[in-house]
Amino acid sequence: GAGVSQSPSNKVTEKGKDVELRCDPISGHTALYWYRQSLGQGLEFLIYFQGNSAPDKSGLPSDRFSAERTGGSVSTLTIQRTQQEDSAVYLCASSLAGSNYGYTFGSGTRLTVV
Amino acid sequence: SQKIEQNSEALNIQEGKTATLTCNYTNYSPAYLQWYRQDPGRGPVFLLLIRENEKEKRKERLKVTFDTTLKQSLFHITASQPADSATYLCALDRGSTLGRLYFGRGTQLTVWP
Repeated sequence: GAGVSQSPSNKVTEKGKDVELRCDPISGHTALYWYRQSLGQGLEFLIYFQGNSAPDKSGLPSDRFSAERTGGSVSTLTIQRTQQEDSAVYLCASSLAGSNYGYTFGSGTRLTVV
Repeated sequence: SQKIEQNSEALNIQEGKTATLTCNYTNYSPAYLQWYRQDPGRGPVFLLLIRENEKEKRKERLKVTFDTTLKQSLFHITASQPADSATYLCALDRGSTLGRLYFGRGTQLTVWP
């Protein structure tokens, strides 16, 4: 596609429920990243996929968070047993590895846990 | 871990003036430093990338400098316009390939007519 697509754009869920956030990167981009942004905060790194390499999961805040990338394309971020502190905007980005063109971000999924 | 500081959370300037935003970092020196623009409700948009061996880079009305001795980057918008109003983020990575980026909190720029 022309850009990075994320769905849903908004998600309201009850505390304790599981949620899945989806990211469709730009075709041909081998690298995919998940960040989250809380109100008034900077972007917090969550996880990074590069080609067929093992993902860098060092930013995942707890074992309730997991992500996968199928077929080197679409990625899903799953949050189990959501907590109120999980409320944030979850941003996905993709890039060409070694590119000089930076990341291309999606518009994000705004998650609200009530 | 890397610490990134961007000058004042908000910067207000008059249309036509030059806006200068500052990004300071500690610890290791990045291979690249990048600047992004973020509008409300949108994801960041890539603007410029500068390498550690480059002193300056320009793109239209934008200019970025990179001083590895001072561990500082300056981002300039010349002849600023109200449409330049947004939050500007600096980001650093560590290596020769685009791995994870460390982002600053951003500076909110408002250009008034």
